[in-house]
Amino acid sequence: DIQMTQSPSSVSASVGDRVTITCRASQGISSWLAWYQQKPGKAPKLLIYAASSLQSGVPSRFSGSGSGTDFTLTISSLQPEDFATYYCQQANSFPPHTFGQGTKLEIK
Amino acid sequence: EVQLVESGGGLVQPGGSLRLSCAASGFTFSSYWMHWVRQAPGKGLVWVSRINSDGSSTSYADSVKGRFTISRDNAKNTLYLQMNSLRAEDTAVYYCARDLDPKPEYYFDYWGQGTLVTVSS
Repeated sequence: DIQMTQSPSSVSASVGDRVTITCRASQGISSWLAWYQQKPGKAPKLLIYAASSLQSGVPSRFSGSGSGTDFTLTISSLQPEDFATYYCQQANSFPPHTFGQGTKLEIK
Repeated sequence: EVQLVESGGGLVQPGGSLRLSCAASGFTFSSYWMHWVRQAPGKGLVWVSRINSDGSSTSYADSVKGRFTISRDNAKNTLYLQMNSLRAEDTAVYYCARDLDPKPEYYFDYWGQGTLVTVSS
């Protein structure tokens, strides 16, 4: 199975900051990667798919990059509503479609 | 508007069974692969199972293989997860999720609100 490792596990930042979260796959997955945002008590929300494609309705301050084994999610200017937990997920055609362990983004 | 509404969660004893349902609306259910994803209390997301659009192909995480069965009724626009031989470690919120594209692409663009399954004596 492909393992997904996110770093950091948690990060503190202020409104207006630029934040980058990293996800590493245990083997190459081309661009088959998604990023999700989850707020407490809510279902996850798809932000980015195919490593860099912005899901409809998601603000342009969110961006994704990478291919192969190393990927990043960048939030260019943090807004109050962005404080949440973020997960990467590999979408290789062979299951399981594993998620990273999550990165909690907290207010500094 | 796409909607996914799970039901069927609850408290069950170890070794027991439960069937979850996910009622879909607002899209052509029979065209999309569907998935179940779970989240133990305070933990991360774990993919559980998937089913293709006509129900003829299924896949499972190793942790549930042989105990859980995913199915669908396209006439009723409903996805199911039959869970047998439940263990304490199956305690989680279970989400149904739609694949992003009918192709499919194995990204999950719409999610239900989740239903809590608690396995405890």
